[in-house]
Amino acid sequence: QVQLVQSGSEFKKPGASVKVSCKASGYTFTHYAVNWVRQAPGQGLEWMGWINTDTGNPTYAQGFTGRFVFSLDTSVSTAFLQISSLEAGDTAVFFCAREGGQKEIDYWGQGTLVTVSS
Amino acid sequence: DIQMTQSPSTLSASVGDRVNFTCRASQSVGSWLAWFQQKPGKAPKLLIYKASTLKSGVPSRFSGSGSGTEFTLTISSLQPDDFATYYCQQCYSYSRSFGQGTRVEIK
Repeated sequence: QVQLVQSGSEFKKPGASVKVSCKASGYTFTHYAVNWVRQAPGQGLEWMGWINTDTGNPTYAQGFTGRFVFSLDTSVSTAFLQISSLEAGDTAVFFCAREGGQKEIDYWGQGTLVTVSS
Repeated sequence: DIQMTQSPSTLSASVGDRVNFTCRASQSVGSWLAWFQQKPGKAPKLLIYKASTLKSGVPSRFSGSGSGTEFTLTISSLQPDDFATYYCQQCYSYSRSFGQGTRVEIK
């Protein structure tokens, strides 16, 4: 069965970097794009962008350029989200999610809580 | 970017009620619209895609309709498991976007 398993919670100080992983199983990783979604505490879902797992080409939503980087290691069917120069406002749950054949997000990771605090 | 607006923000309803939520797009998204359900502390779950296609395994009390700029999610008979937050997302543009969500609470 399709599964996306994300790395565990992170606690970081402002200015640090974090790298969240998303390991896929149960399907051919390079056939489906991976989306990233942010959810700040008590807030709604915010689409961050996606990465083409065949070409490695990322697309970033407005507001997620510069400090946010999507990457892949296709040898282990894993997508990564790296955030640099962390700020308190980056505190959120980050989800990875597979994009299906009809552009729908059909499977989600369990989410990774990143807490930024001094 | 395409803006998605959901209404109402909160909906109070009882078990057995028929409920409708609306999602409006700032420009046409054709039928490229998906609906998700999210419960506290959990990842969202896909309910409907292409505006009206029910994901396999999703109860038939959920249905979606609409095209262009206005879409509706209907729950024909609200069940206890349905109290959650519902989000729409447009999948039309290269840059996807979510609505702000509709929270369904017990009346």
